[in-house]
Amino acid sequence: AQKVTQAQTEISVVEKEDVTLDCVYETRDTTYYLFWYKQPPSGELVFLIRRNSFDEQNEISGRYSWNFQKSTSSFNFTITASQVVDSAVYFCALSEAAGANSKLTFGKGITLSVRP
Amino acid sequence: GAGVSQSPSNKVTEKGKDVELRCDPISGHTALYWYRQSLGQGLEFLIYFQGNSAPDKSGLPSDRFSAERTGGSVSTLTIQRTQQEDSAVYLCASSLGPSFGEKLFFGSGTQLSVL
Repeated sequence: AQKVTQAQTEISVVEKEDVTLDCVYETRDTTYYLFWYKQPPSGELVFLIRRNSFDEQNEISGRYSWNFQKSTSSFNFTITASQVVDSAVYFCALSEAAGANSKLTFGKGITLSVRP
Repeated sequence: GAGVSQSPSNKVTEKGKDVELRCDPISGHTALYWYRQSLGQGLEFLIYFQGNSAPDKSGLPSDRFSAERTGGSVSTLTIQRTQQEDSAVYLCASSLGPSFGEKLFFGSGTQLSVL
């Protein structure tokens, strides 16, 4: 069965610090997707990135970057020069091809607090 | 609509009462999901609808929970004889189709408190 582990539960940083959010996944499937979602205080989950299992290229989008390593089953997320607006709960999620739908299995989330 | 709409945003009920939570997905999205978010527990899958296919109910925690989707659009999640452990945020999401890897769009959720 699929599983997503976000070992960090809460992280607090000062503005402009870099921060990395860890995500480790388990799956028996060779074809899968990994996601990161952000949940600000308003409650609505916002999609950040999707990566399929055949694409191990790292991705950078502005201050955000993602490191996907199949060898360690990890999909870590780094925020460079953090800002107060980055304060939110961040979820990593997995979707397997073997599933009948796009059902996502989520980790428990990491609460990030960025202090001014 | 522009996004996934859920109502009510907050619901307080007494133990033993029934509640109905509503979800209006993005227009044109054929897939609809319900998740439950409990404190410290992440998001737990409850049920999935796709078009006219039989729903995937594999995540429903007990027979007190049920859901329906009328006309392939609006969905209602019903919890009968509510218990205090049902207190959580109930999130609805929709996606364009059933294809593997589709991006899910979430509503803001319904905060359910059972007293």
